[in-house]
Amino acid sequence: GAVVSQHPSRVICKSGTSVKIECRSLDFQATTMFWYRQFPKQSLMLMATSNEGSKATYEQGVEKDKFLINHASLTLSTLTVTSAHPEDSSFYICSASFRINTEAFFGQGTRLTVV
Amino acid sequence: QKEVEQNSGPLSVPEGAIASLNCTYSDRGSQSFFWYRQYSGKSPELIMSIYSNGDKEDGRFTAQLNKASQYVSLLIRDSQPSDSATYLCAVNAGDSNYQLIWGAGTKLIIKP
Repeated sequence: GAVVSQHPSRVICKSGTSVKIECRSLDFQATTMFWYRQFPKQSLMLMATSNEGSKATYEQGVEKDKFLINHASLTLSTLTVTSAHPEDSSFYICSASFRINTEAFFGQGTRLTVV
Repeated sequence: QKEVEQNSGPLSVPEGAIASLNCTYSDRGSQSFFWYRQYSGKSPELIMSIYSNGDKEDGRFTAQLNKASQYVSLLIRDSQPSDSATYLCAVNAGDSNYQLIWGAGTKLIIKP
């Protein structure tokens, strides 16, 4: 199957700093990628849709100025958590599909801990 | 609002038995249906995809789709302790886009 690679897998940062997470589609071009957040024992929550060459679409309640998304190429989307706070600690996961209405492939996820 | 519903569980099944996981969806226009498995602390991985009514078998897994009833299920035969995980049902959002609508997941526990 298609491969989506996400880095880093774990990051610990100090409160107030910014963290960048990368999501790459390794063997296909992804015009659209998705960013999810998952708190312990809770379901996936879609944060935003990343669109190559245009602005991301954010879900209701997600602060676009805090969670900056850049999709500068067909194989790379980045999520930057700006001015991170402890409540931003979570599991962040990206996904991409190579065709419409087909399965999503997930990155390995990033465990963010803000101290 | 398009929705996908799953029983959160936990569903407890003895080792070797059949585990049956169910999912209903609200959008009659949905065309693509997926089951994912998620272990604790890991990202979801695709188990099965199904696109037409009926059954689709892959090893110990069988996906069943009934579009008239807006119902999709996953059967796991000869359940193993390693099958213990949360199973997520996902349905395409329609409108010819890449987005999937996710159920909240059913936690499955296989008891040795």
